[in-house]
Amino acid sequence: NAGVTQTPKFRILKIGQSMTLQCTQDMNHNYMYWYRQDPGMGLKLIYYSVGAGITDKGEVPNGYNVSRSTTEDFPLRLELAAPSQTSVYFCASTPDGSSYNEQFFGPGTRLTVL
Amino acid sequence: QKEVEQNSGPLSVPEGAIASLNCTYSDRVSQSFFWYRQYSGKSPELIMSIYSNGDKEDGRFTAQLNKASQYVSLLIRDSQPSDSATYLCAASNTGFQKLVFGTGTRLLVSP
Repeated sequence: NAGVTQTPKFRILKIGQSMTLQCTQDMNHNYMYWYRQDPGMGLKLIYYSVGAGITDKGEVPNGYNVSRSTTEDFPLRLELAAPSQTSVYFCASTPDGSSYNEQFFGPGTRLTVL
Repeated sequence: QKEVEQNSGPLSVPEGAIASLNCTYSDRVSQSFFWYRQYSGKSPELIMSIYSNGDKEDGRFTAQLNKASQYVSLLIRDSQPSDSATYLCAASNTGFQKLVFGTGTRLLVSP
């Protein structure tokens, strides 16, 4: 199993550009999450999904959109990129909503908006 | 606002010593707690999880939970330079396994 994979690893965007961060997991997990981590900070939840076709906002959803058409994929869309979106983005997955489950993280995408 | 608080450090310990990392949380209904280790430029990886009051040991790691004091800690015995990393404390309290993370404590283990 590859686990959770993310592409790209690095990206530089200009202000106002758009892009999609890709996330795929091969563990057949129902729950998936997008976090952002700013320098020296913890992870903040952007969006999460409890299954194909079901998504909901997390703590910091503004400026982002998500979709979940399959169990495996959970892309994060940035529209009109702003310097405040410069961050490292992590995708994670877990089998279900049990509070005792570990979340498995992808390697991250480092995004810079100039 | 549900919060998880950690001292950002750095916490410096000599090789072979015990490193003690602490975390407090504000939401009393939090049910489970996780310690993730994050090396610079890498993704978080789970070290320990704890759900019940008391101690939980796994190798050189011991997690401690005191729900009355809303306090979680991680002890690392016989610290090694390879333990140098940022340790993130996280709490979960909903049916959707949404984690609230602290800002992390940076640990430096000197040879």
